[in-house]
Amino acid sequence: AQTVTQSQPEMSVQEAETVTLSCTYDTSESNYYLFWYKQPPSRQMILVIRQEAYKQQNATENRFSVNFQKAAKSFSLKISDSQLGDTAMYFCAFMGGGADGLTFGKGTHLIIQP
Amino acid sequence: EAGVAQSPRYKIIEKRQSVAFWCNPISGHATLYWYQQILGQGPKLLIQFQNNGVVDDSQLPKDRFSAERLKGVDSTLKIQPAKLEDSAVYLCASSLVGMGVTVDGYTFGSGTRLTVV
Repeated sequence: AQTVTQSQPEMSVQEAETVTLSCTYDTSESNYYLFWYKQPPSRQMILVIRQEAYKQQNATENRFSVNFQKAAKSFSLKISDSQLGDTAMYFCAFMGGGADGLTFGKGTHLIIQP
Repeated sequence: EAGVAQSPRYKIIEKRQSVAFWCNPISGHATLYWYQQILGQGPKLLIQFQNNGVVDDSQLPKDRFSAERLKGVDSTLKIQPAKLEDSAVYLCASSLVGMGVTVDGYTFGSGTRLTVV
């Protein structure tokens, strides 16, 4: 079974700063997907960024980028120029190549201070 | 495009009572998932349907939880009887069939917050 570990329960940074959220995972599969989801108080899970394991290039979406280290099984999220609206819970998630269900970490509560 | 609809938004019940949650996926999405999110944790997959058949229910507590997806569209998740530890947010998600398309189409609803007292 896969496991996803997020070791930072809470992080707080000032607006406009850069912040990096950590995630490690454990799997024996070679083909899989990794995701970062944002969950605001509205509870809806919003996809921030995804990474296919077979791609060496790190994914980037505007201010969000990942550092994917396949050998180390590490998948960190970098948020540049952080904004007040980025305040939320952030979850790292894994999807194996043979199934569609997601395995989530426990989450990191990110607080952006004005 | 309408999102994944869930109701009710909130529910408070006493232990040993029964409760049901409803989910309407995005039109055309063949795969539907129910997740349980206990406070302070990430969501955990309870059950996955493809059309109206069950793909994975390995983490569903079948002695008290049941789910169905009639006609491969709407789905209902039921708990009977409820326990205090069932207090959680129940999230529904849907996606398109097929691995590559599934990744693009994975969409969550806003969930139902259940409190068992």
